[in-house]
Amino acid sequence: DIVMTQSPDSLPVSLGERATINCKSSQSVLYSSNNKNYLAWYQHKPGQPPKLLIYWASTRESGVPDRFSGSGSGTDFTLTISSLQAEDVAVYYCQQYYSTALTFGGGTKVEIK
Amino acid sequence: QLQLQESGPGLVKPSETLSLTCTVSGGSISSSSYFWGWIRQPPGKGLEWIGSIYYSGSTYYNPSLRSRVTISVDTSKNQFSLKLSSVTAADTAVYYCARMLPTPAKTKGWFDPWGQGTLVTVSS
Repeated sequence: DIVMTQSPDSLPVSLGERATINCKSSQSVLYSSNNKNYLAWYQHKPGQPPKLLIYWASTRESGVPDRFSGSGSGTDFTLTISSLQAEDVAVYYCQQYYSTALTFGGGTKVEIK
Repeated sequence: QLQLQESGPGLVKPSETLSLTCTVSGGSISSSSYFWGWIRQPPGKGLEWIGSIYYSGSTYYNPSLRSRVTISVDTSKNQFSLKLSSVTAADTAVYYCARMLPTPAKTKGWFDPWGQGTLVTVSS
């Protein structure tokens, strides 16, 4: 299985400041034939189902605010919230879909400092 | 707007079989464009993919659960189902169903949207 490791576990950020979440895969999730990174990001708020934010590592899902952006390639990825809003408090997960055995990272809890 | 809703018992005894159904509305489960999946989240822990199914019945399971999991589809009812046998307390979790948007290879992808989730507790 491809192991996804997120850091940090918890991230206190002041309102309006930048939040940066890291996700590292145990092997590359870059598919050479199409040069795409097989990685998605989700936002999970308490009492709600996870919400897709980004796929192909950097493609924002329709309706997701542009303060959310994804970057990275190969084994190292980042989700950035450019200016944290109160409604962004949540746990964020990365997921690889390079392998048929789909796996998620352990999650990063973003909170207000 | 596509919606998914999980249903099934909230309490299952150890060693018994957990059974859940996901009802899809606002779209057809027989669409050739999508797979359908189950994901769970134990209390205080992260997300774990259980398995995925295509409307034709093709299935893909988490290797760690494969020996205990069966996912099936009923296109006439626009539903797909999960059975997990020989459950223990470690199977206590919120269980989500979701639509999987596949890569060109079809067998893997990301999930959107998700159902609200249902808590299943394994206890005697």
